[in-house]
Amino acid sequence: SQQGEEDPQALSIQEGENATMNCSYKTSINNLQWYRQNSGRGLVHLILIRSNEREKHSGRLRVTLDTSKKSSSLLITASRAADTASYFCATVNTGNQFYFGTGTSLTVIP
Amino acid sequence: EAGVAQSPRYKIIEKRQSVAFWCNPISGHATLYWYQQILGQGPKLLIQFQNNGVVDDSQLPKDRFSAERLKGVDSTLKIQPAKLEDSAVYLCASSLFSTGTGELFFGEGSRLTVL
Repeated sequence: SQQGEEDPQALSIQEGENATMNCSYKTSINNLQWYRQNSGRGLVHLILIRSNEREKHSGRLRVTLDTSKKSSSLLITASRAADTASYFCATVNTGNQFYFGTGTSLTVIP
Repeated sequence: EAGVAQSPRYKIIEKRQSVAFWCNPISGHATLYWYQQILGQGPKLLIQFQNNGVVDDSQLPKDRFSAERLKGVDSTLKIQPAKLEDSAVYLCASSLFSTGTGELFFGEGSRLTVL
């Protein structure tokens, strides 16, 4: 399977805390992306990190990429109740195929 | 800018019946994808179109699933005959770029229940 794996599968934190989720993959990539999915909705793009980048920031999001370990992490700082959702990493190859991970379900308790 | 449109949003059928889902991507997006998302899992790529040509359909169960993209715009995904394990959300996504450098835009999905 070309699907990545995320851990933890589920994460529950208090509002204001930071949330970290990890993604491991097996194939070579052009870039890696993170998406968010609210219950019953489609996925929404959050952030893209290229294979030659090591870290990227966007607002309260910080993504790291270690291509030698084939892993990435997503950090959400100062979490809010509205951040409650499932988060997926997607590995993207040069053929424009997007393969999604198994997802992390994040619950932020007000 | 209008997003990716999908219909129907919900469909309930009995096993061995057929069903079709429709997707209209964002205007100008050449690449279109169909994903299957089973409850509690990540989306699984079924088929990828570049304009109206198939780029990747290696994970499409071709004995029962078919998809087409007429004139490089709208797409339909058909299941015939449906099995219980086909119960899932079918997500359509489109991308402006064909080189893997862009992001995917998803529709709201079509939820299929097979009884």
